Amino acid sequence: GDSVTQMEGPVTLSEEAFLTINCTYTATGYPSLFWYVQYPGEGLQLLLKATKADDKGSNKGFEATYRKETTSFHLEKGSVQVSDSAVYFCALPRDSGGGADGLTFGKGTHLIIQP
Amino acid sequence: DTAVSQTPKYLVTQMGNDKSIKCEQNLGHDTMYWYKQDSKKFLKIMFSYNNKELIINETVPNRFSPKSPDKAHLNLHINSLELGDSAVYFCASSQTSGGTEAFFGQGTRLTVV
Repeated sequence: GDSVTQMEGPVTLSEEAFLTINCTYTATGYPSLFWYVQYPGEGLQLLLKATKADDKGSNKGFEATYRKETTSFHLEKGSVQVSDSAVYFCALPRDSGGGADGLTFGKGTHLIIQP
Repeated sequence: DTAVSQTPKYLVTQMGNDKSIKCEQNLGHDTMYWYKQDSKKFLKIMFSYNNKELIINETVPNRFSPKSPDKAHLNLHINSLELGDSAVYFCASSQTSGGTEAFFGQGTRLTVV
């Protein structure tokens, strides 16, 4: 079945450092890809998405490019802030054709930004 | 306005009890889900409903029974609670058309003692 592999943390960085969180996937076809963020004590929020190959999703200074050649969707940010401390999840639809099957998530990467 | 709201946010109960978690979405979506997040933050789908019809039941013990009175509500009832049921349960919703994202509630932290 479809799956997502992402680097496991915790990842600890200093403020203003460059961030990369790796995500690779296996899937039938070319599904949409998502990054979700979970701040402490909160639910998941969609951070960004890409719906087809070579698309770049971006939001709040974060970016990720859908690379079908390497089946990757790495999350990047040029200068992180303490407020970016959270758990980040890479995800794709369980049913590549759409439908009500929900999402498959990576194991999550805990990001800690130190002042 | 909260898009996906679930109650309660915290639930502490004894083993063997029966409890319910309620979820409502005001996004007009046709599909709702329950996910379980374990202590290591791993998220796994439990159920999905599309227009009140059960679509996914992911090998969840039959002590867990979802109920969808209408497409804006999906409740989760758990019988005979066990220690291993302690987790955070998330409700989510989406519109069923290829690849659309899901919107999540704030979660219910269930602790069985």
